[in-house]
Amino acid sequence: ETGVTQTPRHLVMGMTNKKSLKCEQHLGHNAMYWYKQSAKKPLELMFVYNFKEQTENNSVPSRFSPECPNSSHLFLHLHTLQPEDSALYLCASSQVGAGTYTDTQYFGPGTRLTVL
Amino acid sequence: KQEVTQIPAALSVPEGENLVLNCSFTDSAIYNLQWFRQDPGKGLTSLLLIQSSQREQTSGRLNASLDKSSGRSTLYIAASQPGDSATYLCAVGGDNQGGKLIFGQGTELSVKP
Repeated sequence: ETGVTQTPRHLVMGMTNKKSLKCEQHLGHNAMYWYKQSAKKPLELMFVYNFKEQTENNSVPSRFSPECPNSSHLFLHLHTLQPEDSALYLCASSQVGAGTYTDTQYFGPGTRLTVL
Repeated sequence: KQEVTQIPAALSVPEGENLVLNCSFTDSAIYNLQWFRQDPGKGLTSLLLIQSSQREQTSGRLNASLDKSSGRSTLYIAASQPGDSATYLCAVGGDNQGGKLIFGQGTELSVKP
C-alpha cells in the first residue's frame, strides 16, 4: 500500500450503532488529520494529531472520538450519530517541522458515511 | 476569521481552451496556499503548493499565482483536456491555525471534447 489509505470506503449505520473509521499513512509523516466533507459545504477540519498528540479539536461533538495510537494510524470512533453526520470523511497526513505546517497534506480516498 | 471564496462555482469549456480559476481569502496572514483536485467520490490530490514567500508555482500545464496583499490566487490551466474535468479546491494554511487548512467550496470544471 502507498500513500494514505482509509477503510471502509463506504459505511451505512443506524443512529444507535458504534463503528470506527480507520486511516493509515505510509509516507513517514508525523501529522494526521480528519476532515468532514458535506454536500454543498467546504471541507471542515475536525481533528489534528501531531506526533500522536491531539493539537486541534475544531469544536467537534463528542459523538466523534478520535484515536491516534502511533504516527501512522488514525481512527475515528463513531457512536449515536445523527443523520446530519452523513458525509465523506477524509483523512490526511503531512510532515510537520519546528511547529510549522508548511508542507502539502496528502489525502486518502475517504469513507462515505450514511447515517439512517 | 479566515474565509476562502472560489469563483466561479462551476465552469464548462471546450477542449483546448486556456482557463483561469479564482480564489480569494480575507486574511493575508497565511503560511501557504494549496490547490487540490477532487474527482467525484474521491479524495483530494495536491496540485500545487505556494509558500507565503512565493509568487507562483508551475507544474506541467498548471500555473498557480499568489498575491498575498490583495488576498488572491489564480490557477491557470493551459490547453484544457477532458481529463481535467474535476472539482478544484483552494485551501489556505494560516500562521496561527496549527495545521488547519481553510477550504473554499471549489470550482467544478467540465471540459467538453
